[in-house]
Amino acid sequence: AAGVIQSPRHLIKEKRETATLKCYPIPRHDTVYWYQQGPGQDPQFLISFYEKMQSDKGSIPDRFSAQQFSDYHSELNMSSLELGDSALYFCASSGGLAGPIHYEQYFGPGTRLTVT
Amino acid sequence: DQQVKQNSPSLSVQEGRISILNCDYTNSMFDYFLWYKKYPAEGPTFLISISSIKDKNEDGRFTVFLNKSAKHLSLHIVPSQPGDSAVYFCAALAGGGNKLTFGTGTQLKVEL
Repeated sequence: AAGVIQSPRHLIKEKRETATLKCYPIPRHDTVYWYQQGPGQDPQFLISFYEKMQSDKGSIPDRFSAQQFSDYHSELNMSSLELGDSALYFCASSGGLAGPIHYEQYFGPGTRLTVT
Repeated sequence: DQQVKQNSPSLSVQEGRISILNCDYTNSMFDYFLWYKKYPAEGPTFLISISSIKDKNEDGRFTVFLNKSAKHLSLHIVPSQPGDSAVYFCAALAGGGNKLTFGTGTQLKVEL
């Protein structure tokens, strides 16, 4: 079965640079979520989108922005990168049911961002 | 403020025996709970979930028990297999929201 696709899988950037992470949800899923997992930590929710509209917001820095496109893929844009942004970034998707309330979220393999 | 806690960072079990992973939560607004398994360099894989209106859900070798009054849930894996060795995360949803709140994870090692 098709899973959530994330690209790139690995990314190395320098401080103050920008990065764009991409997420392609499972076909027919209409909701995407972004999570950040720092070293030795549990995943922390950043932001989610349902039908191309922001549906929930967590601890996402103002330097980060995200959007969901008409084909339901999503991009997380990160600017003025800091050393502390080095983490695994997971995208998850859910859907297949009417309405914005879904329960099971299916995760992609993650993008490992290293800021030097 | 860690709202979902997994107090055992690691657990070692023999193959064929039962693995019991525990999870406690503090937020009474949580009404849906999920367990994920995570291998290194991979994303979390959904295992099983339970709604707060139930106290047990079973799927093959995996059973999740929920004790709402104690704000405690557990995942039972029986029989345990070496391929079950991974980090297990408990996660919770509140009031129809989309934000998963994760626990800190338990590293399960199933030994031959």
